[in-house]
Amino acid sequence: NAGVTQTPKFQVLKTGQSMTLQCAQDMNHNSMYWYRQDPGMGLRLIYYSASEGTTDKGEVPNGYNVSRLNKREFSLRLESAAPSQTSVYFCASTVGTGRYGYTFGSGTRLTVV
Amino acid sequence: TQLLEQSPQFLSIQEGENLTVYCNSSSVFSSLQWYRQEPGEGPVLLVTVVTGGEVKKLKRLTFQFGDARKDSSLHITAAQTGDTGLYLCAGAPGNYQLIWGAGTKLIIKP
Repeated sequence: NAGVTQTPKFQVLKTGQSMTLQCAQDMNHNSMYWYRQDPGMGLRLIYYSASEGTTDKGEVPNGYNVSRLNKREFSLRLESAAPSQTSVYFCASTVGTGRYGYTFGSGTRLTVV
Repeated sequence: TQLLEQSPQFLSIQEGENLTVYCNSSSVFSSLQWYRQEPGEGPVLLVTVVTGGEVKKLKRLTFQFGDARKDSSLHITAAQTGDTGLYLCAGAPGNYQLIWGAGTKLIIKP
């Protein structure tokens, strides 16, 4: 059981470069999420997708875009990376509204220099 | 704005001791979830409590949901070094998002 798979695991970008973080789940979940985790800030929601074909902004969406490619895949794009986007990024998925808990990927550690 | 206050933020105790972590809010949640996160990994769901007053046990870990569904506690009996990690609570208001606590970093010393 793969669960939630994120790629890449590590990435270093120069300021202004772009990149896409990939996320795929094999649990037939309808809802998918992108979070960032920073020391002292906890988990902050960037974007989420309640179902295939819909996306919504979370708490910190500026500088990011997302695509729900199909039911399995939800990607996060940084168009012009900034040092403030240095963080660990987690993708998660769940059934329904998430009342019974999320499944998280193992994360992408991104450094922008 | 919904908040979930988690305490303590940091706890360092000796192996064999007991401890309790608290999550409190003024908001009502449809469920309260507890996760554990180890360095370099994503959070892993430990338990979900959905009914007011509910108590769930996972080996030496006991989770309780407050009667009013606004708060929860995690109690660890006879802590072991393997319990070391970051513990996160999250409340589900029922709108596809979770309200997260800031986390409790737990260190169990041998």
